[in-house]
Amino acid sequence: GAVVSQHPSRVICKSGTSVKIECRSLDFQATTMFWYRQFPKKSLMLMATSNEGSKATYEQGVEKDKFLINHASLTLSTLTVTSAHPEDSSFYICSAGSRQSSTDTQYFGPGTRLTVL
Amino acid sequence: AQSVTQPDIHITVSEGASLELRCNYSYGATPYLFWYVQSPGQGLQLLLKYFSGDTLVQGIKGFEAEFKRSQSSFNLRKPSVHWSDAAEYFCAVEGSSYKLIFGSGTRLLVRP
Repeated sequence: GAVVSQHPSRVICKSGTSVKIECRSLDFQATTMFWYRQFPKKSLMLMATSNEGSKATYEQGVEKDKFLINHASLTLSTLTVTSAHPEDSSFYICSAGSRQSSTDTQYFGPGTRLTVL
Repeated sequence: AQSVTQPDIHITVSEGASLELRCNYSYGATPYLFWYVQSPGQGLQLLLKYFSGDTLVQGIKGFEAEFKRSQSSFNLRKPSVHWSDAAEYFCAVEGSSYKLIFGSGTRLLVRP
């Protein structure tokens, strides 16, 4: 299957700082990328959908000014957690897809563990 | 509303025993269905998917799943579990705009 990477894999930051997480599709062009948040022992919660070259679409209840998403190219999307607080600590996972046909699949990155002190 | 239910939070099986993980979905049209596996601290790996055609789908690592429209189910099976199969398993249905709706997950524990 296709390969999606995330960087960093783990980050610890101080409260009030901003953190940027990168999601890259390594061997295909991703027209759409998704950002998920996963709390401990919980399922994945979709935060937003980003399409290359356009603004991200946020799910209800997700603060778009706090979680800035940029999808500047077909292989890179970034999630920036602005003014991070301890409650933002979580596991963030991206997925990438290329909807060339109705049977394409999302491929997931390995996730980024964010800890805000 | 679209939803996925995985009724079993935990399942424990002995190594070598068979496995079935349950998944029920709610979706108005013909669903696109997926099973993913997640090891601790890792992302999700696609095990298999159903889009159309044969209702018995073969996946990686010896897993298979059967789509039963009449029961709105897409249960995951494996005839003989290995210790390395211990992980969290998520069933998902594709909703509008290609969004995946996940179930709450089932944690598989494997007894030696």
